[in-house]
Amino acid sequence: QQQVKQSPQSLIVQKGGISIINCAYENTAFDYFPWYQQFPGKGPALLIAIRPDVSEKKEGRFTISFNKSAKQFSLHIMDSQPGDSATYFCAALNSGGGADGLTFGKGTHLIIQP
Amino acid sequence: ETGVTQTPRHLVMGMTNKKSLKCEQHLGHNAMYWYKQSAKKPLELMFVYNFKEQTENNSVPSRFSPECPNSSHLFLHLHTLQPEDSALYLCASSQGGAGWAGELFFGEGSRLTVL
Repeated sequence: QQQVKQSPQSLIVQKGGISIINCAYENTAFDYFPWYQQFPGKGPALLIAIRPDVSEKKEGRFTISFNKSAKQFSLHIMDSQPGDSATYFCAALNSGGGADGLTFGKGTHLIIQP
Repeated sequence: ETGVTQTPRHLVMGMTNKKSLKCEQHLGHNAMYWYKQSAKKPLELMFVYNFKEQTENNSVPSRFSPECPNSSHLFLHLHTLQPEDSALYLCASSQGGAGWAGELFFGEGSRLTVL
């Protein structure tokens, strides 16, 4: 049973456009929602994260939108640049759930065309 | 060295071989993790060590054996693997405790191929 569903699997966006990646979760005990960015040949790196007490968090060109009632959250990349081309993973954590660790989505392969 | 370092970066082994993956973190963290990354699948948590104590084993086959001699080093011992075990094995660290398990620092991974 996949607890975090991520879409789309792949995405092509023109330079300067907005990239949007969506995730949905099932476990209402999740209370921390990070996004990780992974470049080829590298490990994933934490990009931005949100807790469910806020509906939006913005860091530079990256914004997380969170809808607690719908159990959905999304990553928006404004003014997308070729250097943003990478694989993006959403994840969720029940921080009170002992050592369960993060539950990851399957990833979105993002290509920004010049 | 800074961050999380994994060796070797690439490993090819036969099904009857015994090998080990090594991970070292220079961040002063107290928790270390092994994840398996396969194409088109979510990252799979394999093992967690918090303050050198193993706190998670996600039904991983016994042909994978972790070892954490101290809070800075983590090993994954491999023996009699199967071709389906071919994947990228990622080590990560975080500050200790479940509340920090979402803020992971990953190494670059060890790409394993089982022939």
